[in-house]
Amino acid sequence: DTEVTQTPKHLVMGMTNKKSLKCEQHMGHRAMYWYKQKAKKPPELMFVYSYEKLSINESVPSRFSPECPNSSLLNLHLHALQPEDSALYLCASSQTKGPYEQYFGPGTRLTVT
Amino acid sequence: GENVEQHPSTLSVQEGDSAVIKCTYSDSASNYFPWYKQELGKRPQLIIDIRSNVGEKKDQRIAVTLNKTAKHFSLHITETQPEDSAVYFCAASPHGDTGRRALTFGSGTRLQVQP
Repeated sequence: DTEVTQTPKHLVMGMTNKKSLKCEQHMGHRAMYWYKQKAKKPPELMFVYSYEKLSINESVPSRFSPECPNSSLLNLHLHALQPEDSALYLCASSQTKGPYEQYFGPGTRLTVT
Repeated sequence: GENVEQHPSTLSVQEGDSAVIKCTYSDSASNYFPWYKQELGKRPQLIIDIRSNVGEKKDQRIAVTLNKTAKHFSLHITETQPEDSAVYFCAASPHGDTGRRALTFGSGTRLQVQP
């Protein structure tokens, strides 16, 4: 199984809402990533988890709160977002040693109203 | 940090022609260079990658070349087909523990293959 899954596919939320994005992989990867992609732009790294510990936070605002409850799951908790946070949120995973390939999930398209 | 520049931003070719996309990177610690293809509304898909101990790699109609001295790498697609139309991203990543393996992407090239 070389698939990374993400739910939901689409999410519309108001600026006062609290929501969560979920990512799951069953490839035995111990590194998981969150990227944000605006229209017609490349993915931008937000967070990296390695062995369920946060190893990189690219100065992301605290209204985005990541969580890695186990080696297969990665969550992104959202609170008090702004309209400019509307984007495609991509999850990826990779091995921590040896092959470097990062596999991306299909993304969650988030709209903040 | 790493900075990856990608050219051209758009590329239109006739079916059967070749397409070349070029990237440069700034961090000499980078040693892994993947290329992703992203179709509209879909996830980035890894199509080929190269590590810094290799100068060229081929996979059927796709090839990637790397010049570590000049810090640039290129994607070559031969015998292009309409289904090759998509946005292509190059990326660079340093070696080492996972905490430093984050990908830095180029700005993307929109490839259109005209039938």
